[in-house]
Amino acid sequence: EDQVTQSPEALRLQEGESSSLNCSYTVSGLRGLFWYRQDPGKGPEFLFTLYSAGEEKEKERLKATLTKKESFLHITAPKPEDSATYLCAAEDNNNDMRFGAGTRLTVKP
Amino acid sequence: NAGVTQTPKFQVLKTGQSMTLQCAQDMNHNSMYWYRQDPGMGLRLIYYSASEGTTDKGEVPNGYNVSRLNKREFSLRLESAAPSQTSVYFCASSPEGIYGYTFGSGTRLTVV
Repeated sequence: EDQVTQSPEALRLQEGESSSLNCSYTVSGLRGLFWYRQDPGKGPEFLFTLYSAGEEKEKERLKATLTKKESFLHITAPKPEDSATYLCAAEDNNNDMRFGAGTRLTVKP
Repeated sequence: NAGVTQTPKFQVLKTGQSMTLQCAQDMNHNSMYWYRQDPGMGLRLIYYSASEGTTDKGEVPNGYNVSRLNKREFSLRLESAAPSQTSVYFCASSPEGIYGYTFGSGTRLTVV
């Protein structure tokens, strides 16, 4: 069965302290790996799609990378406004999308 | 602003009552989805519609029904609400192909 596991569940950083969030996936034929940001009381907001191992995408202080078994969301010099829950999701060859439970990131000033 | 609009934002139901959650998108997307989000769990797919006139069950369809009214609108109905259906419900849409979803702002439903 397809599975997506995110770690850690929660992460507290000081402003400027870089770190990485992990997303491990087990799917039958990966079509795409997605990252979303979710603020409290709101719906997830799409950030990136990665299609193949070795691919990287960047947006401001965020960089997403992909290997054959996992994806990382690297956050460089985070600011308090980066505080949110970050979700990853994997779509398989049957067009089934599986979401992880998310990592709740808090960045303290 | 273009996007996905969900109504209502909050709802409290008594066990056994029925209700319909409404969703509309104005991006001309073919595919629409209903998810539920519970603490500590990932988003779980209830039903989806790959195109106007078609609907299919997702991972957790029991206790729900859906209607794809037209290309814009996709509604979710709870016929007889149960406390286990207390959750936050999200509607989403996407174009054809491998693209990220656009989500609505959610409906927080409590069944007492």
